[in-house]
Amino acid sequence: DTGVSQNPRHKITKRGQNVTFRCDPISEHNRLYWYRQTLGQGPEFLTYFQNEAQLEKSRLLSDRFSAERPKGSFSTLEIQRTEQGDSAMYLCASSLALIGAYEQYFGPGTRLTVT
Amino acid sequence: GDSVTQMEGPVTLSEEAFLTINCTYTATGYPSLFWYVQYPGEGLQLLLKATKADDKGSNKGFEATYRKETTSFHLEKGSVQVSDSAVYFCALRNAGNMLTFGGGTRLMVKP
Repeated sequence: DTGVSQNPRHKITKRGQNVTFRCDPISEHNRLYWYRQTLGQGPEFLTYFQNEAQLEKSRLLSDRFSAERPKGSFSTLEIQRTEQGDSAMYLCASSLALIGAYEQYFGPGTRLTVT
Repeated sequence: GDSVTQMEGPVTLSEEAFLTINCTYTATGYPSLFWYVQYPGEGLQLLLKATKADDKGSNKGFEATYRKETTSFHLEKGSVQVSDSAVYFCALRNAGNMLTFGGGTRLMVKP
């Protein structure tokens, strides 16, 4: 069990550029979640997948954000035309889709800085 | 919608002191409740959980009891160590599968 991994760990970009982050979940986990955490705040839910299907999206996920999980394994989160307000830590988590399997396992996050 | 409120930090304690971090929630139905911990430079880790009223979650000397009558899930530890210094997040999971987090409480334990 290698845990949830995220790449890159840090990304600095200029306003208006597009960025893409990758998340590799724990291999047998069929649910994958994206959260955003700004400095001094708790994580906020963005979206989640069960296998390759995107089942829920938060209203925080504007049209500039898109997430995919094409083969039900890794996922990407793309932000187009970045804004300074997008600066945050982007967290990925995974879990099993089983009754009683409550725990979401979090990756280390990708810290985005928009200058 | 669902929400979680935690006491603001930082909480500064001396080693071996008693710890309480308050957490209250607002939710419809019967959520599951969690405490996550974030050590410096690391990702979120599940510390403990409780899935129904009156359940007590415990791990590494930390405890929290699911109190439906007061909608609370306060975190306690009888004797903190320097290594417990971290940010603690209370969270709930309701009918949807996403977690709703509180704002976090930073704990600093001094030798």
